[in-house]
Parts: sequence; C-alpha cells; structure tokens
Amino acid sequence: NAGVTQTPKFQVLKTGQSMTLQCAQDMNHEYMSWYRQDPGMGLRLIHYSVGAGITDQGEVPNGYNVSRSTTEDFPLRLLSAAPSQTSVYFCASSTDRGPGAIYFGEGSWLTVV
Amino acid sequence: GENVEQHPSTLSVQEGDSAVIKCTYSDSASNYFPWYKQELGKRPQLIIDIRSNVGEKKDQRIAVTLNKTAKHFSLHITETQPEDSAVYFCAASWSSNTGKLIFGQGTTLQVKP
Repeated sequence: NAGVTQTPKFQVLKTGQSMTLQCAQDMNHEYMSWYRQDPGMGLRLIHYSVGAGITDQGEVPNGYNVSRSTTEDFPLRLLSAAPSQTSVYFCASSTDRGPGAIYFGEGSWLTVV
Repeated sequence: GENVEQHPSTLSVQEGDSAVIKCTYSDSASNYFPWYKQELGKRPQLIIDIRSNVGEKKDQRIAVTLNKTAKHFSLHITETQPEDSAVYFCAASWSSNTGKLIFGQGTTLQVKP
C-alpha cells in the first residue's frame, strides 16, 4: 500500500513546453485533487475529481487540464508552461469511508525557465 | 467562494509554553476544518480535524475549537516542544471528504528550547 504516489519529484521545463504530472493512489479513494503551493503561501486548489469521469475546477485552474479515466489515476497537464507555474504541486486523495482524512502525495517540484 | 484567513503568520514561543493559531472562514456552509503541519520540504500532514457538529476536539497536546456562529476555529498546542516547530495550515471545506479544501496562508511556529 503506497498511498498517493506522484511523479516526477523534480522537473525543469522551458517556457512553452508541455508536461504531465502523474498521480496515482492505491487506496480506492473516490476523491482526488491537485494543489499548488507557492513560497510562503498555503495550498491552492487547481482541480479536483469526485470520481472516475468527473472533474471540476478549483481556485486556480487556468493553464492546467485534468482527466480521471480510472479511480486510481489523476494526471495534471500543463499545456504551455509559464514561469508563473513554477511551484510545488501536491496531489491528494480521500474517501467517504472511514474517518475522511485527506492524504497528500510527497509533492512535485516544478521550475519553469 | 470560501475564503480562509489565518493568524498570526509567525509565532515564536518558549518550550513548554502554549501556542494558539486562529482561523476565520467566510462560507457558513463549510462543515469540515482540518489542521495540517508541514515541515520544510515535506508534504502537509493532518494533525487534527473537526466537523461542524462538534465544538471541540482534543488529541493529547493538540486541541481544536470551533465557533460556528462567529465562523472561526483555533488550534491549541500545549507544552510545546522543539519538534513542534513547523508551518501549520488551517483549511475549510463545505463538503467533507471530497479533497476540496480551501487553505489559510499558514503560520510558522518556532519553539525555542
């Protein structure tokens, strides 16, 4: 049971490049979400999903796409990277079953130059 | 949408003293209020949470109180230890367990030995 797994852990992109941050969970959680954390700030919600095939926008969705084709995976796509997207990205999952804690992945450090 | 304000932004206490961090939220429909501890370079870790049908919850040296009328909630850490030093985030959600959290800006707690 690995929990929430994010890849890659570190990535440097050039402005205009596209890439996908991968997120997978093995806890059969219904809910998954993506956050970004900028220096000295709290986490801000980018996109979230309440189940396979269902996604919705969070606070800061511009420049990002998501899809949820399976319960386990929730990839985040940067369409055309900009320096403003330099950040740490956290994926999270949770479930209605049990105490309802939200589990975060270890984070992906992204730098756009 | 929901907005969460957190104070203070930094807090320094002597080992053994108590620390209190306060948050206010704007959406009266919010019903789930977790607190996270984040060490440098690490993921946020849930330390305690409270739901809107409860006014107070305690777990050893950590307690959280909720005042729904005033729309604020607080984290109390007693008998602080140097290992309590970290950044603490409050969050609020109108839909518990969905992974859709709105975070406060964070409080950097320093516990001096």
